[in-house]
Amino acid sequence: GDSVTQMEGPVTLSEEAFLTINCTYTATGYPSLFWYVQYPGEGLQLLLKATKADDKGSNKGFEATYRKETTSFHLEKGSVQVSDSAVYFCALSDHNFGNEKLTFGTGTRLTIIP
Amino acid sequence: AAGVIQSPRHLIKEKRETATLKCYPIPRHDTVYWYQQGPGQDPQFLISFYEKMQSDKGSIPDRFSAQQFSDYHSELNMSSLELGDSALYFCASSAEGGTNYGYTFGSGTRLTVV
Repeated sequence: GDSVTQMEGPVTLSEEAFLTINCTYTATGYPSLFWYVQYPGEGLQLLLKATKADDKGSNKGFEATYRKETTSFHLEKGSVQVSDSAVYFCALSDHNFGNEKLTFGTGTRLTIIP
Repeated sequence: AAGVIQSPRHLIKEKRETATLKCYPIPRHDTVYWYQQGPGQDPQFLISFYEKMQSDKGSIPDRFSAQQFSDYHSELNMSSLELGDSALYFCASSAEGGTNYGYTFGSGTRLTVV
């Protein structure tokens, strides 16, 4: 079945450092890929997504490129801020019409220190 | 903009009791998904409904049942609660069952079983 493997955390960085969180996937079909962010005590917020190979999703300075050849969707940000501290989940969806559940990775807790 | 509404936000139940969680999707969204997120875990898909019919079933215990009503809201019923059912329960909704159509998560219901 579908699965997502995510870089283990926790990750601690200094403010303005470069961030990479690795994500690889296994899927039988041609999935869409997502990064969700979860702040303490809150729900899941969509950060960015990509629906086909070589698509680049971007939002709030974060970027991720859908790499079909390496089945990867790594999250990057050039200069992190304290406010980026959260848990980040990589996810994929299949495309069965009327049913598009998400499969999540295990999450990476990111802490940014001033 | 209207979001996915979940109620209650917090719920404390004793072992062997019953709990009902409610989810009100975004207007004109016809698909609802339920996820369970244990402490420090990634969200796990439980069940989904499209146009008031069950569309997929994941790792949902037999003690749990759910349905989608004519107004598209959904309820997750949990009986014979166990300590291990303590988790954050998320609902998500989308239009036409797809992540290309506004797949949005609610803030979740935190269930604590004591």
